[in-house]
Amino acid sequence: DGGITQSPKYLFRKEGQNVTLSCEQNLNHDAMYWYRQDPGQGLRLIYYSQIVNDFQKGDIAEGYSVSREKKESFPLTVTSAQKNPTAFYLCASRMTGTNQPQHFGDGTRLSIL
Amino acid sequence: QKEVEQDPGPLSVPEGAIVSLNCTYSNSAFQYFMWYRQYSRKGPELLMYTYSSGNKEDGRFTAQVDKSSKYISLFIRDSQPSDSATYLCATRSNDYKLSFGAGTTVTVRA
Repeated sequence: DGGITQSPKYLFRKEGQNVTLSCEQNLNHDAMYWYRQDPGQGLRLIYYSQIVNDFQKGDIAEGYSVSREKKESFPLTVTSAQKNPTAFYLCASRMTGTNQPQHFGDGTRLSIL
Repeated sequence: QKEVEQDPGPLSVPEGAIVSLNCTYSNSAFQYFMWYRQYSRKGPELLMYTYSSGNKEDGRFTAQVDKSSKYISLFIRDSQPSDSATYLCATRSNDYKLSFGAGTTVTVRA
Protein backbone atom coordinates (compact mmCIF):
# COMPACT_ATOMS: atom_id res chain seq x y z
CA ASP A 1 0.00 0.00 0.00
CA GLY A 2 1.17 3.52 -0.72
CA GLY A 3 1.68 5.74 2.26
CA ILE A 4 3.91 7.48 4.74
CA THR A 5 5.62 5.41 7.42
CA GLN A 6 6.96 6.99 10.57
CA SER A 7 9.04 5.09 13.08
CA PRO A 8 9.28 4.48 15.90
CA LYS A 9 5.76 5.11 17.17
CA TYR A 10 7.11 5.99 20.65
CA LEU A 11 10.58 7.29 21.50
CA PHE A 12 12.24 8.27 24.74
CA ARG A 13 15.17 10.65 25.00
CA LYS A 14 17.63 11.07 27.81
CA GLU A 15 18.96 14.49 28.72
CA GLY A 16 21.77 15.58 26.37
CA GLN A 17 20.96 12.93 23.78
CA ASN A 18 20.22 13.37 20.09
CA VAL A 19 17.48 11.19 18.64
CA THR A 20 16.43 10.62 15.04
CA LEU A 21 12.87 10.10 13.84
CA SER A 22 12.35 8.25 10.60
CA CYS A 23 9.93 9.18 7.80
CA GLU A 24 9.65 7.12 4.61
CA GLN A 25 7.12 7.53 1.79
CA ASN A 26 6.40 5.41 -1.27
CA LEU A 27 4.00 7.87 -2.88
CA ASN A 28 6.67 9.30 -5.20
CA HIS A 29 6.04 12.71 -3.64
CA ASP A 30 8.67 15.40 -4.13
CA ALA A 31 7.96 17.52 -1.07
CA MET A 32 8.20 16.36 2.53
CA TYR A 33 7.47 18.16 5.78
CA TRP A 34 8.01 17.81 9.53
CA TYR A 35 5.54 19.23 12.03
CA ARG A 36 5.38 19.35 15.77
CA GLN A 37 2.01 19.04 17.53
CA ASP A 38 1.50 20.15 21.12
CA PRO A 39 -1.85 19.98 22.97
CA GLY A 40 -4.11 22.89 22.07
CA GLN A 41 -1.61 24.42 19.62
CA GLY A 42 -2.21 22.83 16.27
CA LEU A 43 0.65 21.84 13.99
CA ARG A 44 3.81 23.93 13.67
CA LEU A 45 6.24 23.51 10.78
CA ILE A 46 9.80 22.50 11.69
CA TYR A 47 11.47 21.86 8.31
CA TYR A 48 10.42 21.12 4.77
CA SER A 49 12.06 19.87 1.61
CA GLN A 50 10.78 20.29 -1.94
CA ILE A 51 13.56 18.37 -3.67
CA VAL A 52 16.36 15.95 -2.83
CA ASN A 53 19.43 17.55 -1.20
CA ASP A 54 17.56 20.75 -0.42
CA PHE A 55 15.51 21.80 2.61
CA GLN A 56 14.30 24.96 4.34
CA LYS A 57 13.63 25.96 7.92
CA GLY A 58 10.06 26.25 9.05
CA ASP A 59 8.73 28.31 11.92
CA ILE A 60 10.37 26.40 14.79
CA ALA A 61 13.62 24.90 13.38
CA GLU A 62 15.87 25.68 16.35
CA GLY A 63 17.13 22.49 18.01
CA TYR A 64 16.26 20.30 15.02
CA SER A 65 18.13 19.11 11.93
CA VAL A 66 17.12 17.20 8.80
CA SER A 67 18.60 15.60 5.70
CA ARG A 68 17.11 14.70 2.34
CA GLU A 69 19.51 12.31 0.61
CA LYS A 70 16.77 10.23 -1.01
CA LYS A 71 13.41 11.23 -2.42
CA GLU A 72 11.54 8.76 -0.24
CA SER A 73 13.25 9.57 3.07
CA PHE A 74 13.32 12.69 5.30
CA PRO A 75 14.70 11.91 8.78
CA LEU A 76 14.43 14.45 11.59
CA THR A 77 17.04 14.70 14.35
CA VAL A 78 16.00 16.24 17.64
CA THR A 79 19.20 17.56 19.13
CA SER A 80 20.12 18.21 22.74
CA ALA A 81 19.73 21.92 21.96
CA GLN A 82 15.95 21.42 21.81
CA LYS A 83 15.06 22.05 25.44
CA ASN A 84 11.40 21.10 25.24
CA PRO A 85 11.27 18.14 22.85
CA THR A 86 8.27 16.33 24.33
CA ALA A 87 5.64 16.41 21.58
CA PHE A 88 3.93 14.47 18.82
CA TYR A 89 5.94 14.70 15.58
CA LEU A 90 4.22 14.37 12.23
CA CYS A 91 5.71 13.86 8.80
CA ALA A 92 3.81 14.80 5.65
CA SER A 93 4.38 14.73 1.91
CA ARG A 94 2.82 16.06 -1.27
CA MET A 95 3.38 16.11 -5.01
CA THR A 96 4.85 19.41 -6.21
CA GLY A 97 3.60 21.08 -9.37
CA THR A 98 0.03 20.29 -8.43
CA ASN A 99 -2.52 21.66 -5.98
CA GLN A 100 -2.72 18.35 -4.19
CA PRO A 101 -2.79 18.69 -0.40
CA GLN A 102 -0.38 17.22 2.11
CA HIS A 103 -0.88 13.71 3.45
CA PHE A 104 0.38 12.67 6.87
CA GLY A 105 1.99 9.72 8.56
CA ASP A 106 0.81 8.41 11.92
CA GLY A 107 3.37 10.26 13.97
CA THR A 108 6.06 9.62 16.57
CA ARG A 109 5.51 10.54 20.20
CA LEU A 110 8.75 11.70 21.81
CA SER A 111 9.10 11.88 25.58
CA ILE A 112 11.92 12.79 27.95
CA LEU A 113 13.18 10.20 30.41
CA GLN B 1 -2.59 37.16 16.26
CA LYS B 2 -2.56 33.61 14.92
CA GLU B 3 -3.10 33.25 11.18
CA VAL B 4 -5.89 30.72 11.75
CA GLU B 5 -8.19 30.76 14.76
CA GLN B 6 -10.37 27.75 15.45
CA ASP B 7 -13.22 27.44 17.94
CA PRO B 8 -11.51 25.44 20.71
CA GLY B 9 -14.38 23.26 21.89
CA PRO B 10 -14.54 20.58 23.06
CA LEU B 11 -17.90 19.66 21.60
CA SER B 12 -20.11 16.85 22.85
CA VAL B 13 -23.22 15.97 20.87
CA PRO B 14 -25.74 13.10 20.82
CA GLU B 15 -25.65 10.63 17.96
CA GLY B 16 -27.55 11.92 14.94
CA ALA B 17 -26.97 15.61 15.72
CA ILE B 18 -25.39 18.09 13.31
CA VAL B 19 -21.85 19.08 14.25
CA SER B 20 -20.74 22.60 13.29
CA LEU B 21 -17.04 23.50 13.33
CA ASN B 22 -15.64 26.95 12.52
CA CYS B 23 -12.38 28.73 11.77
CA THR B 24 -11.40 32.25 10.83
CA TYR B 25 -8.23 33.32 9.08
CA SER B 26 -6.45 36.64 8.75
CA ASN B 27 -4.42 36.42 5.53
CA SER B 28 -6.38 37.24 2.39
CA ALA B 29 -3.65 35.48 0.36
CA PHE B 30 -4.92 32.11 1.58
CA GLN B 31 -6.54 30.44 -1.39
CA TYR B 32 -6.90 26.79 -0.39
CA PHE B 33 -8.80 25.39 2.55
CA MET B 34 -8.71 21.97 4.15
CA TRP B 35 -10.30 20.05 6.96
CA TYR B 36 -8.40 17.17 8.52
CA ARG B 37 -9.72 14.59 10.98
CA GLN B 38 -7.33 13.21 13.59
CA TYR B 39 -8.05 10.22 15.79
CA SER B 40 -6.17 9.82 19.05
CA ARG B 41 -2.50 8.86 18.55
CA LYS B 42 -2.88 8.95 14.76
CA GLY B 43 -1.89 11.36 12.02
CA PRO B 44 -4.39 13.79 10.45
CA GLU B 45 -6.34 12.44 7.49
CA LEU B 46 -7.71 14.74 4.83
CA LEU B 47 -11.50 15.12 4.89
CA MET B 48 -12.26 18.05 2.65
CA TYR B 49 -10.25 20.26 0.30
CA THR B 50 -11.56 23.32 -1.50
CA TYR B 51 -10.26 26.48 -3.09
CA SER B 52 -13.39 28.50 -3.80
CA SER B 53 -16.07 30.25 -1.83
CA GLY B 54 -19.26 28.30 -1.40
CA ASN B 55 -20.17 24.81 -0.30
CA LYS B 56 -18.59 21.45 -1.04
CA GLU B 57 -20.36 18.25 -0.05
CA ASP B 58 -19.00 14.76 0.44
CA GLY B 59 -21.49 12.35 1.95
CA ARG B 60 -22.37 13.55 5.45
CA PHE B 61 -19.70 16.28 5.35
CA THR B 62 -20.11 19.82 4.01
CA ALA B 63 -17.29 22.34 3.88
CA GLN B 64 -18.24 25.99 3.56
CA VAL B 65 -15.88 28.84 2.67
CA ASP B 66 -16.67 32.55 2.79
CA LYS B 67 -13.61 34.40 1.52
CA SER B 68 -15.19 37.83 2.01
CA SER B 69 -15.51 37.13 5.74
CA LYS B 70 -12.41 34.91 5.93
CA TYR B 71 -14.54 32.23 7.54
CA ILE B 72 -14.55 28.47 6.99
CA SER B 73 -16.88 25.86 8.40
CA LEU B 74 -17.37 22.12 8.45
CA PHE B 75 -20.76 20.53 9.05
CA ILE B 76 -21.24 16.85 9.89
CA ARG B 77 -24.78 15.59 9.41
CA ASP B 78 -26.23 12.55 11.17
CA SER B 79 -23.15 12.34 13.39
CA GLN B 80 -21.94 8.90 14.47
CA PRO B 81 -19.77 7.78 17.42
CA SER B 82 -17.07 7.01 14.83
CA ASP B 83 -16.93 10.75 14.07
CA SER B 84 -15.47 11.34 17.54
CA ALA B 85 -12.07 12.87 16.80
CA THR B 86 -10.16 16.14 16.66
CA TYR B 87 -10.89 18.24 13.57
CA LEU B 88 -8.24 20.59 12.23
CA CYS B 89 -8.80 23.37 9.73
CA ALA B 90 -5.89 24.39 7.53
CA THR B 91 -5.27 27.02 4.90
CA ARG B 92 -2.49 27.89 2.50
CA SER B 93 -1.48 30.45 -0.06
CA ASN B 94 0.44 29.65 -3.23
CA ASP B 95 3.66 28.87 -1.34
CA TYR B 96 2.26 25.48 -0.27
CA LYS B 97 2.98 26.06 3.42
CA LEU B 98 -0.01 25.20 5.58
CA SER B 99 -1.33 27.21 8.52
CA PHE B 100 -3.37 25.16 10.98
CA GLY B 101 -6.01 25.92 13.54
CA ALA B 102 -5.48 24.47 17.02
CA GLY B 103 -8.15 21.80 16.51
CA THR B 104 -11.59 21.08 17.97
CA THR B 105 -12.21 17.80 19.77
CA VAL B 106 -15.64 16.32 19.05
CA THR B 107 -17.34 13.55 21.02
CA VAL B 108 -20.48 11.95 19.61
CA ARG B 109 -22.42 10.17 22.37
CA ALA B 110 -24.23 6.94 21.47
